[in-house]
Amino acid sequence: KNEVEQSPQNLTAQEGEFITINCSYSVGISALHWLQQHPGGGIVSLFMLSSGKKKHGRLIATINIQEKHSSLHITASHPRDSAVYICAVSGSGAQKLVFGQGTRLTINP
Amino acid sequence: DTGVSQDPRHKITKRGQNVTFRCDPISEHNRLYWYRQTLGQGPEFLTYFQNEAQLEKSRLLSDRFSAERPKGSFSTLEIQRTEQGDSAMYLCASQESLLNEQFFGPGTRLTVL
Repeated sequence: KNEVEQSPQNLTAQEGEFITINCSYSVGISALHWLQQHPGGGIVSLFMLSSGKKKHGRLIATINIQEKHSSLHITASHPRDSAVYICAVSGSGAQKLVFGQGTRLTINP
Repeated sequence: DTGVSQDPRHKITKRGQNVTFRCDPISEHNRLYWYRQTLGQGPEFLTYFQNEAQLEKSRLLSDRFSAERPKGSFSTLEIQRTEQGDSAMYLCASQESLLNEQFFGPGTRLTVL
């Protein structure tokens, strides 16, 4: 079993729909990261959180430390949101990232 | 642009050849990470540096792989005697020591024929 599990692996939705991507982890962490990867490989950090909830534009990330679970929500989804969304966790010390396998999101117009 | 840069962006090589990739981190960042991503998977940790010291290496990093960061600035990742299984995207990220966010470069896509 991977230390970081994401669901779903693939998600296709229509423009305007509310999107939820889930992440569960099995190790102790200092922070959880949500990352976005577009075709071609570039990775952009969306959120880094260790508790509660963060919001940036149409994106919302939540984390429940007790349940070792996080969700990424996209409101009013748009085709430009189509990308791979990756959950990753970092521990204390080295802070290397341990990644989930990613969720491929496709938003159709 | 003061982001993380990687060179080359793409590399095609024949099995058995040696390849070297370069990563230039954000200038004030003293931590530098290398990750490898195969098709359809999330990235996996390879190694990381704090300044010029290589502090941790994954067991994924076989003896054919070597990484350096000689002056605590840019880093190189060399793969000797490449194998087809080495085909992947090699990602570099840098981090300011006391902050958790890592900033990623565009990656080097390696194809071993």
